[in-house]
Amino acid sequence: NFMLTQPHSVSESPGKTVTISCTRSTGSIASTYVQWYQQRPGSAPTTVIYEVSQRPSGVPDRFSGSVDSSSNSASLTISGLMTEDEADYYCQSFDSSNHNWVFGGGTKVTVL
Amino acid sequence: EVQLLESGGGLGQPGGSLRLSCSASGFTFSNYAMTWVRQAPGKGLEWVSDISVSGRSTYYANSVKGRFTVSRDNSKNTLYLQMNSLRADDTAVYYCAKVNSVVYFCDSWGQGTLVTVSS
Repeated sequence: NFMLTQPHSVSESPGKTVTISCTRSTGSIASTYVQWYQQRPGSAPTTVIYEVSQRPSGVPDRFSGSVDSSSNSASLTISGLMTEDEADYYCQSFDSSNHNWVFGGGTKVTVL
Repeated sequence: EVQLLESGGGLGQPGGSLRLSCSASGFTFSNYAMTWVRQAPGKGLEWVSDISVSGRSTYYANSVKGRFTVSRDNSKNTLYLQMNSLRADDTAVYYCAKVNSVVYFCDSWGQGTLVTVSS
């Protein structure tokens, strides 16, 4: 079993760039795909990144995803921050060894 | 447009039962695996259960194994979650979601239904 660890919160000004990390505890981050979900206050989650770096239709290209094997982490980068980006963001992967969906604890993004 | 509408939430007694439903539209329900994800008040997302296209394969988080049962009726485009032996820590918003089972992620989510377990 592995865990995904995210920072509790990040904040930045409108128009700036913020990066959220998602660190895998054991095993390689590159061995399975990582997804990112956005959850605005009072709303259901929506998918903003899947398969590490793919954006669903309708998600602006200000959202991008990547993996860094050296830190065993995935990252979600939001550029040109807008007030509407203020939300909780969750990373997620899948442990096929025991059919377990693994979610990170979530990161609250505040747009100052 | 994919639409997922959960129902059946409400107040449940400790040790009691509730049955959640998720009505699907806008896609061919019988072609997709489905999942339940929950979120306790003020907490993060927790996977609960998922079910294969046919319904023959089901999977559960350790926290609900032996108490919850997932099922589906492809003729009615509906997903179910039978929740027995309810505990206070089952209190959460329960979301159903459509699964991309190549990668195992949720590509569409419902709006959720609140389950509160309390005497």
